[in-house]
Amino acid sequence: AQSVTQLGSHVSVSEGALVLLRCNYSSSVPPYLFWYVQYPNQGLQLLLKYTSAATLVKGINGFEAEFKKSETSFHLTKPSAHMSDAAEYFCAVSGQTGANNLFFGTGTRLTVIP
Amino acid sequence: DTAVSQTPKYLVTQMGNDKSIKCEQNLGHDTMYWYKQDSKKFLKIMFSYNNKELIINETVPNRFSPKSPDKAHLNLHINSLELGDSAVYFCASSQRGNHNSPLHFGNGTRLTVT
Repeated sequence: AQSVTQLGSHVSVSEGALVLLRCNYSSSVPPYLFWYVQYPNQGLQLLLKYTSAATLVKGINGFEAEFKKSETSFHLTKPSAHMSDAAEYFCAVSGQTGANNLFFGTGTRLTVIP
Repeated sequence: DTAVSQTPKYLVTQMGNDKSIKCEQNLGHDTMYWYKQDSKKFLKIMFSYNNKELIINETVPNRFSPKSPDKAHLNLHINSLELGDSAVYFCASSQRGNHNSPLHFGNGTRLTVT
């Protein structure tokens, strides 16, 4: 079975500060991990994905995440927050190999303070 | 534009009614999904179809019936709507077995049952 836990339902950072959104996974098979962003009244947009290649994954909008097997983590970071980063962020893990269906975390709402 | 499109965007209806939500993707994917996002933003998979065949059927009331006339379309019909059905429903698509093909989401249908 696969699942993810996102620590912190709300994170607030100042504009220009480091963004760190935490995600820990549980998987009985090698996981594929994803971060999605959801802006208000919109669907989910893929930020980045880990599919067993490089452990440090770079995504869109300056975000990156590092897969750490020893810590079962896949935290999302961005060096400098921008006002436009305010959104809901979801970590997800894939299901059975080849099935593609995703199991999502409960989401973290990022607020950026000017 | 290549995308996952779902209609309607908003759906307000009374308890007991029957309604449908339509979804179409022109990404050439062979797998489509329905996810439900509740008021706390939690996303849970409901159904998945691969080449018009049902491959995932989570514990969902049988008032919900997906229909896939072809691999580019996956509609969701809901009978005897209840207050608890109020949520945002997301359609998604992907290419099964290719983990470089993440899920692509539509913009959601906000269903409100009164």
